[in-house]
Amino acid sequence: DAMVIQNPRYQVTQFGKPVTLSCSQTLNHNVMYWYQQKSSQAPKLLFHYYDKDFNNEADTPDNFQSRRPNTSFCFLDIRSPGLGDAAMYLCATRGSDVGRTDTQYFGPGTRLTVL
Amino acid sequence: GENVEQHPSTLSVQEGDSAVIKCTYSDSASNYFPWYKQELGKRPQLIIDIRSNVGEKKDQRIAVTLNKTAKHFSLHITETQPEDSAVYFCAAIPGTASKLTFGTGTRLQVTL
Repeated sequence: DAMVIQNPRYQVTQFGKPVTLSCSQTLNHNVMYWYQQKSSQAPKLLFHYYDKDFNNEADTPDNFQSRRPNTSFCFLDIRSPGLGDAAMYLCATRGSDVGRTDTQYFGPGTRLTVL
Repeated sequence: GENVEQHPSTLSVQEGDSAVIKCTYSDSASNYFPWYKQELGKRPQLIIDIRSNVGEKKDQRIAVTLNKTAKHFSLHITETQPEDSAVYFCAAIPGTASKLTFGTGTRLQVTL
């Protein structure tokens, strides 16, 4: 069964047109992460939530925002996508499973294309 | 903050040979070291991890070793198969942090 779900899997948007990516989890994990991954690079952390506590990375552009309305869902909003924002966006979770408190579980990702 | 270096960036081995990928980390407080395998267009998948109270861990053809003194850890894949071809990322987490610091990745190609 899918544990970390991302929708849509593929998203095409126009330059400057706001877009929202969603992530949901069935693990009841208290930590959720958003990463940006460009071709042939490691995932780059944008921000994460520890419960409702939002933690932004210092180099995450203001163009990227996030919402976490409840434990299960987390959203990534890109207010004005530029060509450089085309990438794979990965959601991940981390929880309090006994013996596995450090493990991050990744969703399948959303590939964003900006035209 | 933590910095993780990973080598080599590309690795080509023949089927059946062994592959070794090495990582070094900078933060002596790091205590959790996962390895992720990422096939083209897919999510990173955890293949093995090790904690700082253990020196070696093995799971079938995959093993990870950790040298805390030297601050390096390595992934060993034996009897490689074509389906092992992927990009492998090492990572580290300092004990008090919530964040993974990834290495730069190693593209492994297993040839017939």
